[in-house]
Amino acid sequence: QKEVEQDPGPLSVPEGAIVSLNCTYSNSAFQYFMWYRQYSRKGPELLMYTYSSGNKEDGRFTAQVDKSSKYISLFIRDSQPSDSATYLCAMKAAGNKLTFGGGTRVLVKP
Amino acid sequence: DGGITQSPKYLFRKEGQNVTLSCEQNLNHDAMYWYRQDPGQGLRLIYYSQIVNDFQKGDIAEGYSVSREKKESFPLTVTSAQKNPTAFYLCASRPEGTGSTDTQYFGPGTRLTVL
Repeated sequence: QKEVEQDPGPLSVPEGAIVSLNCTYSNSAFQYFMWYRQYSRKGPELLMYTYSSGNKEDGRFTAQVDKSSKYISLFIRDSQPSDSATYLCAMKAAGNKLTFGGGTRVLVKP
Repeated sequence: DGGITQSPKYLFRKEGQNVTLSCEQNLNHDAMYWYRQDPGQGLRLIYYSQIVNDFQKGDIAEGYSVSREKKESFPLTVTSAQKNPTAFYLCASRPEGTGSTDTQYFGPGTRLTVL
């Protein structure tokens, strides 16, 4: 079993809908949680970073962490065709390396 | 114009040949990383370096080698010992003072295809 699980998708939504993405993990030592967006044939770019449990909002993006359930989420409001990409979750314990999920491919249809 | 550059964007290699992928950054970051990305498997760490003239193996270092002679540069050599080298290779760097969070910033990647 992988340390971080992420549904590969594709997740297809109409423009303007809310995109809901999530990852589950097994290592209770993870404290730092990130979401990256990766366009096709490009490098990932950091979208959101969250420490420990709670919510964080940045524009149309909201990241949630539920450490008790070992579950993190990313919500994208008012989705646009330009949000079509692969979204990678990543997490780490203090002092350790990043562990990535496999990525979820998102398609936002006009 | 600051950032991380990787070259070439596409690379083709015959079996049995070594090939070196370039990674350069002008962000003054101390730490640099190499990852391999395969479809559906996320990113896997090959090597990383936290300081010049020092580097450590990641999870899948076999068949790869690196050097870190300059702060700005962290080239990756894919050797003939790597059994399945066709993949998308990503270089990343991390700003100083973010050791705990390990917030990494990625280059555009090199797609290596072995013919």
